[in-house]
Amino acid sequence: EPEVTQTPSHQVTQMGQEVILRCVPISNHLYFYWYRQILGQKVEFLVSFYNNEISEKSEIFDDQFSVERPDGSNFTLKIRSTKLEDSAMYFCASSELVDTDTQYFGPGTRLTVL
Amino acid sequence: AQKVTQAQTEISVVEKEDVTLDCVYETRDTTYYLFWYKQPPSGELVFLIRRNSFDEQNEISGRYSWNFQKSTSSFNFTITASQVVDSAVYFCALTDRSSNTGKLIFGQGTTLQVKP
Repeated sequence: EPEVTQTPSHQVTQMGQEVILRCVPISNHLYFYWYRQILGQKVEFLVSFYNNEISEKSEIFDDQFSVERPDGSNFTLKIRSTKLEDSAMYFCASSELVDTDTQYFGPGTRLTVL
Repeated sequence: AQKVTQAQTEISVVEKEDVTLDCVYETRDTTYYLFWYKQPPSGELVFLIRRNSFDEQNEISGRYSWNFQKSTSSFNFTITASQVVDSAVYFCALTDRSSNTGKLIFGQGTTLQVKP
């Protein structure tokens, strides 16, 4: 069964460093998302991406964040200068169709900023 | 604004008991989709069910069943004869169609602990 994959599973970084979180969505899916979950809290939307551009971003997704689909399979989230409060689980999701379809989530990347 | 409320923060049951997880939502959309996801201790989010607002039939899948009631804006999830493997955090979610991007709005989650 096709699945969304994410690497790395755990990333530890120093405050101020740049990190790139990688995702490989399900191959025939067209819509891509990043969500964040701070430990013990609910899952929050960060950004949606379709047709090689951002279709929506939340207030959390400020200028420190960017997304890219560098090739036909990868979807990345970059945090330019990490802060302590960026420590969270980051989930990538993909769906075949927008909002009428189910979003399938990857296993997540746990980001720890020291 | 769209909102999902899961009022039960934590539920603890003994194996083989039935348990119902509540989900209440708010939306101005006439067409919308509701979801349940399971987050086991390993951390991933596992899709359980999607329900569209036009289909109010209850759904059963093995020991899982869902009760969708538009009149009370609720989409409750029942596990029959719970097992230890059901221990997880369960999230109810709603599509936000106001932006047409399909983003999901999640509830706070309910932590279910099933004791042997």
